[in-house]
Amino acid sequence: GESVGLHLPTLSVQEGDNSIINCAYSNSASDYFIWYKQESGKGPQFIIDIRSNMDKRQGQRVTVLLNKTVKHLSLQIAATQPGDSAVYFCAENNAGNMLTFGGGTRLMVKP
Amino acid sequence: NAGVTQTPKFQVLKTGQSMTLQCAQDMNHNSMYWYRQDPGMGLRLIYYSASEGTTDKGEVPNGYNVSRLNKREFSLRLESAAPSQTSVYFCASSRDSNYGYTFGSGTRLTVV
Repeated sequence: GESVGLHLPTLSVQEGDNSIINCAYSNSASDYFIWYKQESGKGPQFIIDIRSNMDKRQGQRVTVLLNKTVKHLSLQIAATQPGDSAVYFCAENNAGNMLTFGGGTRLMVKP
Repeated sequence: NAGVTQTPKFQVLKTGQSMTLQCAQDMNHNSMYWYRQDPGMGLRLIYYSASEGTTDKGEVPNGYNVSRLNKREFSLRLESAAPSQTSVYFCASSRDSNYGYTFGSGTRLTVV
């Protein structure tokens, strides 16, 4: 079946640098994408979403980019802080069905 | 505003025992979901309820049953627990299936 995947299981960045977490999806019918952050011992927390009629959306220190041509989604975190250390999941919703989650990328922020 | 509340937070069961995981949301959401998360893996859908009165199987439903008691509550039952069901269970809710999910804080279940 079609699925969402991530290129890098672990990303280590220096505090203050920008982070980019990538996600590939294979279902061209997907029309809604979400990034979640999960800290140790907690449930996933919504960060930002984007619908397929957009290619970029910005939040506070975060930007999601969607490239439908190559079926690629990325999460950019500006000025990464120690509190950003967590596992990040992308998720896709293909035309009204349930969200399908990727395997997750662990972001480690070095002081 | 509590969001999604799960109980209990931790549970240890012996093989063959039964238990029910409770989930309640106060956001007037239509859809509710149960996921399990195993170490180093993503979230796998067990069951979902698109609206009050309906339930459907997800990716890994075997060994589980659910009840959508009312719009607020969606419970997950393990009739005869097995060690393979050791996992962290998350309940989530959403306005409908095409909106972001709000997750509870999880139930850590160990079956020995």
